Amino acid sequence: SYVLTQPPSVSVAPGKTARITCGGNNIGSKNVHWHQQKPGQAPVLVIYYDSDRPSGIPERFSGSNSGNTATLTISGVEAGDEADYYCQVWDSSSDPHWVFGGGTKLTVL
Amino acid sequence: EVQLVESGGGLVQPGGSLRLSCAASGFTFSSYAMHWVRQAPGKGLEYVSSISSNGGSPYYASSVKGRFTISRDNSKNTLYLQMGSLRAEDMAVYYCARGFGELNDILDYWGQGTLVTVSS
Repeated sequence: SYVLTQPPSVSVAPGKTARITCGGNNIGSKNVHWHQQKPGQAPVLVIYYDSDRPSGIPERFSGSNSGNTATLTISGVEAGDEADYYCQVWDSSSDPHWVFGGGTKLTVL
Repeated sequence: EVQLVESGGGLVQPGGSLRLSCAASGFTFSSYAMHWVRQAPGKGLEYVSSISSNGGSPYYASSVKGRFTISRDNSKNTLYLQMGSLRAEDMAVYYCARGFGELNDILDYWGQGTLVTVSS
């Protein structure tokens, strides 16, 4: 099965830029989606197709994907961005086809 | 506004059964594939099952195949997950989510979840 690897935690000061990585074999050939989950809440899609933002998601959230690493970038981090972030892809050879990374806890210092 | 509201969770003994429901509103339910994803306490997201917009092509993760059945009633805008032979490792918050994209690979809206506790 396809494996997505995320760092367990990332810390950043308010106003700075946070980068959360998602590693996978040739992930650059896949579509990567990112979900934000705040404590006690349901996940929210923040990036789809590597770099597209759903309506209502601030421009501070951006994404990129190349080679073996996809990256979620949050510029001008705010306290309200503190959450778990999960990358996700679809892989036809995996079980299940919908694959999630292990999640990254973003802490705003 | 898209809304997904799960219900049906609760306490069940190992080996028991439970049926979860997900009531959808704010969009044309019959036009979208739907998914179930679960999250064990303190753990990450785990994919469970999906169903196409017309109720065909059910898909299951191997961890639940043969024990869980996904279905939908487009006349009632409701998604279901019938769970059987429940195990301790099935204990989790179960989320329904709407599928989007060419491969229905994007889960673009999620419900608030319903908690399933498996314990004797």
